[in-house]
Amino acid sequence: DSGVTQTPKHLITATGQRVTLRCSPRSGDLSVYWYQQSLDQGLQFLIQYYNGEERAKGNILERFSAQQFPDLHSELNLSSLELGDSALYFCASSETGGLNYGYTFGSGTRLTVV
Amino acid sequence: DQQVKQNSPSLSVQEGRISILNCDYTNSMFDYFLWYKKYPAEGPTFLISISSIKDKNEDGRFTVFLNKSAKHLSLHIVPSQPGDSAVYFCAAIRNTGNQFYFGTGTSLTVIP
Repeated sequence: DSGVTQTPKHLITATGQRVTLRCSPRSGDLSVYWYQQSLDQGLQFLIQYYNGEERAKGNILERFSAQQFPDLHSELNLSSLELGDSALYFCASSETGGLNYGYTFGSGTRLTVV
Repeated sequence: DQQVKQNSPSLSVQEGRISILNCDYTNSMFDYFLWYKKYPAEGPTFLISISSIKDKNEDGRFTVFLNKSAKHLSLHIVPSQPGDSAVYFCAAIRNTGNQFYFGTGTSLTVIP
Protein backbone atom coordinates (compact mmCIF):
# COMPACT_ATOMS: atom_id res chain seq x y z
CA ASP A 1 0.00 0.00 0.00
CA SER A 2 1.61 3.20 -1.22
CA GLY A 3 -0.63 5.44 0.87
CA VAL A 4 -2.26 6.97 -2.22
CA THR A 5 -5.81 5.67 -2.60
CA GLN A 6 -7.69 5.71 -5.87
CA THR A 7 -11.30 4.74 -6.35
CA PRO A 8 -12.82 3.02 -8.13
CA LYS A 9 -10.29 0.48 -9.34
CA HIS A 10 -12.30 -0.37 -12.42
CA LEU A 11 -14.96 1.56 -14.29
CA ILE A 12 -16.90 0.59 -17.39
CA THR A 13 -19.11 3.18 -18.99
CA ALA A 14 -20.67 4.08 -22.32
CA THR A 15 -19.60 6.74 -24.78
CA GLY A 16 -21.00 10.15 -24.04
CA GLN A 17 -21.19 9.55 -20.32
CA ARG A 18 -19.43 11.35 -17.48
CA VAL A 19 -17.38 9.76 -14.72
CA THR A 20 -15.51 10.95 -11.65
CA LEU A 21 -12.29 9.40 -10.45
CA ARG A 22 -11.22 9.99 -6.89
CA CYS A 23 -7.80 10.20 -5.28
CA SER A 24 -6.73 10.54 -1.66
CA PRO A 25 -3.08 11.54 -1.39
CA ARG A 26 -0.57 10.13 1.04
CA SER A 27 -0.83 11.70 4.47
CA GLY A 28 1.11 14.96 4.56
CA ASP A 29 1.39 15.33 0.80
CA LEU A 30 0.05 18.59 -0.57
CA SER A 31 0.52 17.98 -4.28
CA VAL A 32 -1.67 15.73 -6.38
CA TYR A 33 -0.91 14.81 -9.97
CA TRP A 34 -3.08 13.03 -12.50
CA TYR A 35 -1.57 10.91 -15.27
CA GLN A 36 -3.14 8.94 -18.09
CA GLN A 37 -1.64 5.76 -19.46
CA SER A 38 -3.15 4.59 -22.72
CA LEU A 39 -2.27 1.33 -24.41
CA ASP A 40 1.40 1.28 -25.44
CA GLN A 41 1.86 4.80 -24.16
CA GLY A 42 3.93 6.17 -21.36
CA LEU A 43 2.31 8.04 -18.55
CA GLN A 44 1.01 11.35 -19.86
CA PHE A 45 0.76 14.19 -17.40
CA LEU A 46 -2.71 15.71 -17.16
CA ILE A 47 -2.78 18.18 -14.29
CA GLN A 48 -1.29 19.05 -10.91
CA TYR A 49 -2.89 20.59 -7.85
CA TYR A 50 -1.02 21.93 -4.88
CA ASN A 51 -2.87 22.64 -1.65
CA GLY A 52 -6.15 23.21 -3.46
CA GLU A 53 -4.82 25.33 -6.30
CA GLU A 54 -4.14 24.29 -9.86
CA ARG A 55 -0.36 24.36 -10.32
CA ALA A 56 0.30 22.96 -13.77
CA LYS A 57 -1.56 21.63 -16.78
CA GLY A 58 -0.36 19.08 -19.23
CA ASN A 59 -2.13 17.29 -22.05
CA ILE A 60 -5.55 17.50 -20.48
CA LEU A 61 -8.54 17.67 -22.78
CA GLU A 62 -11.18 20.35 -22.32
CA ARG A 63 -13.69 17.58 -21.63
CA PHE A 64 -11.65 16.71 -18.53
CA SER A 65 -11.46 18.75 -15.36
CA ALA A 66 -10.10 18.27 -11.89
CA GLN A 67 -10.18 19.82 -8.48
CA GLN A 68 -8.56 19.42 -5.11
CA PHE A 69 -10.68 19.82 -2.02
CA PRO A 70 -9.79 21.34 1.38
CA ASP A 71 -9.11 17.87 2.77
CA LEU A 72 -6.62 17.51 -0.12
CA HIS A 73 -8.39 14.70 -1.89
CA SER A 74 -8.76 15.24 -5.62
CA GLU A 75 -11.29 14.32 -8.25
CA LEU A 76 -10.80 13.98 -11.98
CA ASN A 77 -13.96 14.47 -13.99
CA LEU A 78 -14.16 13.05 -17.48
CA SER A 79 -17.16 14.00 -19.60
CA SER A 80 -18.52 13.25 -23.06
CA LEU A 81 -16.48 10.11 -22.95
CA GLU A 82 -15.07 8.64 -26.14
CA LEU A 83 -13.68 5.20 -26.86
CA GLY A 84 -10.18 6.69 -26.93
CA ASP A 85 -10.49 7.78 -23.33
CA SER A 86 -10.17 4.16 -22.25
CA ALA A 87 -6.96 4.09 -20.24
CA LEU A 88 -5.40 3.69 -16.85
CA TYR A 89 -5.62 6.87 -14.84
CA PHE A 90 -3.06 7.27 -12.11
CA CYS A 91 -2.99 9.72 -9.30
CA ALA A 92 0.27 10.53 -7.56
CA SER A 93 1.14 12.71 -4.62
CA SER A 94 4.20 14.40 -3.24
CA GLU A 95 5.04 16.62 -0.33
CA THR A 96 6.05 19.51 -2.52
CA GLY A 97 7.12 19.48 -6.12
CA GLY A 98 8.44 15.94 -6.40
CA LEU A 99 11.77 16.22 -8.13
CA ASN A 100 14.66 13.90 -7.50
CA TYR A 101 12.75 11.75 -5.05
CA GLY A 102 9.77 11.25 -7.30
CA TYR A 103 6.12 10.82 -6.60
CA THR A 104 4.09 8.18 -4.82
CA PHE A 105 1.57 6.66 -7.16
CA GLY A 106 -1.76 5.07 -6.46
CA SER A 107 -2.68 1.78 -8.08
CA GLY A 108 -4.78 3.48 -10.73
CA THR A 109 -8.31 3.41 -12.07
CA ARG A 110 -8.88 1.41 -15.22
CA LEU A 111 -11.51 3.14 -17.32
CA THR A 112 -13.14 1.26 -20.15
CA VAL A 113 -15.45 3.18 -22.46
CA VAL A 114 -17.71 0.97 -24.56
CA ASP B 1 6.07 14.99 -28.72
CA GLN B 2 7.76 12.17 -26.83
CA GLN B 3 10.64 13.78 -24.97
CA VAL B 4 11.62 10.58 -23.22
CA LYS B 5 11.85 7.36 -25.19
CA GLN B 6 12.33 3.75 -24.34
CA ASN B 7 12.83 1.95 -27.62
CA SER B 8 12.80 -1.58 -26.27
CA PRO B 9 9.30 -2.65 -25.24
CA SER B 10 10.55 -5.86 -23.69
CA LEU B 11 13.68 -7.58 -22.40
CA SER B 12 14.32 -11.14 -21.17
CA VAL B 13 17.29 -12.00 -19.01
CA GLN B 14 18.44 -15.12 -17.18
CA GLU B 15 18.45 -15.00 -13.42
CA GLY B 16 21.83 -13.90 -12.09
CA ARG B 17 22.82 -12.06 -15.25
CA ILE B 18 22.83 -8.33 -15.85
CA SER B 19 19.74 -6.49 -17.07
CA ILE B 20 20.33 -3.26 -18.96
CA LEU B 21 17.39 -1.01 -19.66
CA ASN B 22 17.90 1.99 -21.89
CA CYS B 23 16.28 5.38 -22.17
CA ASP B 24 16.87 8.34 -24.49
CA TYR B 25 15.69 11.89 -24.13
CA THR B 26 15.56 14.93 -26.33
CA ASN B 27 15.39 17.86 -23.92
CA SER B 28 18.85 18.94 -22.75
CA MET B 29 17.24 21.05 -20.02
CA PHE B 30 16.19 18.06 -17.89
CA ASP B 31 17.76 18.20 -14.43
CA TYR B 32 16.69 14.92 -12.87
CA PHE B 33 16.11 11.47 -14.23
CA LEU B 34 14.29 8.70 -12.44
CA TRP B 35 13.43 5.08 -12.91
CA TYR B 36 10.12 3.67 -11.78
CA LYS B 37 9.13 0.04 -11.50
CA LYS B 38 5.59 -1.15 -12.05
CA TYR B 39 4.02 -4.49 -11.22
CA PRO B 40 0.65 -5.46 -12.73
CA ALA B 41 -2.34 -3.94 -10.95
CA GLU B 42 -0.11 -1.57 -9.01
CA GLY B 43 1.03 1.99 -9.53
CA PRO B 44 4.63 2.78 -10.48
CA THR B 45 7.05 2.90 -7.57
CA PHE B 46 10.16 5.02 -7.42
CA LEU B 47 13.35 3.01 -7.86
CA ILE B 48 16.36 5.25 -8.32
CA SER B 49 17.21 8.71 -9.56
CA ILE B 50 20.17 10.66 -10.86
CA SER B 51 20.91 14.33 -11.07
CA SER B 52 22.12 15.77 -14.35
CA ILE B 53 25.36 16.81 -12.66
CA LYS B 54 26.29 13.19 -12.04
CA ASP B 55 27.03 10.34 -14.41
CA LYS B 56 26.37 7.44 -12.08
CA ASN B 57 24.24 6.59 -9.08
CA GLU B 58 24.21 3.25 -7.34
CA ASP B 59 21.77 1.70 -4.91
CA GLY B 60 22.37 -1.92 -4.11
CA ARG B 61 21.81 -4.02 -7.22
CA PHE B 62 20.61 -1.00 -9.18
CA THR B 63 22.89 1.46 -10.96
CA VAL B 64 21.81 4.28 -13.22
CA PHE B 65 24.24 5.75 -15.73
CA LEU B 66 23.77 9.10 -17.42
CA ASN B 67 25.50 10.16 -20.64
CA LYS B 68 24.50 13.77 -21.14
CA SER B 69 26.31 14.23 -24.42
CA ALA B 70 24.37 11.33 -25.89
CA LYS B 71 21.17 12.23 -24.01
CA HIS B 72 21.02 8.65 -22.86
CA LEU B 73 20.55 6.91 -19.54
CA SER B 74 20.54 3.29 -18.60
CA LEU B 75 19.54 1.19 -15.62
CA HIS B 76 21.69 -1.79 -14.76
CA ILE B 77 20.39 -4.52 -12.48
CA VAL B 78 23.02 -6.93 -11.22
CA PRO B 79 22.36 -9.72 -10.47
CA SER B 80 18.86 -9.93 -11.92
CA GLN B 81 16.27 -11.78 -9.86
CA PRO B 82 12.85 -13.17 -10.84
CA GLY B 83 11.23 -10.59 -8.55
CA ASP B 84 12.68 -7.87 -10.77
CA SER B 85 10.24 -8.89 -13.50
CA ALA B 86 8.15 -5.78 -14.03
CA VAL B 87 7.69 -2.82 -16.35
CA TYR B 88 10.35 -0.15 -15.92
CA PHE B 89 9.67 3.46 -16.81
CA CYS B 90 12.27 6.16 -17.07
CA ALA B 91 11.21 9.72 -16.38
CA ALA B 92 12.76 13.16 -16.53
CA ILE B 93 11.99 16.55 -15.07
CA ARG B 94 13.36 20.06 -15.15
CA ASN B 95 14.33 21.72 -11.91
CA THR B 96 11.77 24.43 -12.60
CA GLY B 97 9.15 22.09 -13.94
CA ASN B 98 6.01 20.57 -12.51
CA GLN B 99 5.68 17.40 -14.48
CA PHE B 100 7.67 14.31 -15.13
CA TYR B 101 8.00 13.14 -18.71
CA PHE B 102 7.76 9.39 -18.87
CA GLY B 103 8.95 6.89 -21.40
CA THR B 104 6.65 4.15 -22.67
CA GLY B 105 8.20 1.50 -20.48
CA THR B 106 10.24 -1.67 -20.91
CA SER B 107 8.83 -4.96 -19.70
CA LEU B 108 11.61 -6.96 -18.05
CA THR B 109 11.28 -10.71 -17.59
CA VAL B 110 13.88 -12.46 -15.49
CA ILE B 111 13.88 -16.17 -16.26
CA PRO B 112 14.67 -18.46 -13.32
